Amino acid sequence: QKEVEQNSGPLSVPEGAIASLNCTYSDRGSQSFFWYRQYSGKSPELIMFIYSNGDKEDGRFTAQLNKASQYVSLLIRDSQPSDSATYLCAVSTWVTGNQFYFGTGTSLTVIP
Amino acid sequence: DGGITQSPKYLFRKEGQNVTLSCEQNLNHDAMYWYRQDPGQGLRLIYYSQIVNDFQKGDIAEGYSVSREKKESFPLTVTSAQKNPTAFYLCASSIASSPLHFGNGTRLTVT
Repeated sequence: QKEVEQNSGPLSVPEGAIASLNCTYSDRGSQSFFWYRQYSGKSPELIMFIYSNGDKEDGRFTAQLNKASQYVSLLIRDSQPSDSATYLCAVSTWVTGNQFYFGTGTSLTVIP
Repeated sequence: DGGITQSPKYLFRKEGQNVTLSCEQNLNHDAMYWYRQDPGQGLRLIYYSQIVNDFQKGDIAEGYSVSREKKESFPLTVTSAQKNPTAFYLCASSIASSPLHFGNGTRLTVT
């Protein structure tokens, strides 16, 4: 069983602050890493993906990957109340096809 | 617009009945997946298919069955053998090493 672990939270930050979400994974063969946002009762939507060590920035979002430490994080700058959701970390590994494994998610609340 | 369509959005069934959830995609993706999500939990893989007429079991396949007769379609049947079928079911697709694209989900309630 390939493990993906996240702090379930809840994580609360004030509006305008930086939210930091963390994820660790057990399979060193994992090749691709994703962050999804899921609003209550809705399906997950892709926020960021990263394949190489280092940082990747897209607007207010930055994904950070450290394969040696098997660690991936998501930073949300200038957090807004609309960012309040559950954030799912996912990793993929090519076994018999591309398989995706998800963490249990971190609940984020941005306080106005 | 391309996307994944799951139907119905809500489904209610009596215990002991089989039920089939529909998933159709027009993204021309090769791979399709079914996940189950329970409250406060992550997504657990039920079945996945990389090509037509071929599929593999995921981590929680017991009590479920699938077919992949067309590239666009990957229906999931929840059988009466599934002990706790009430859940949120998500269909997804991908191509090569691209991210998963999800449908809007089907919320199944069995009483």
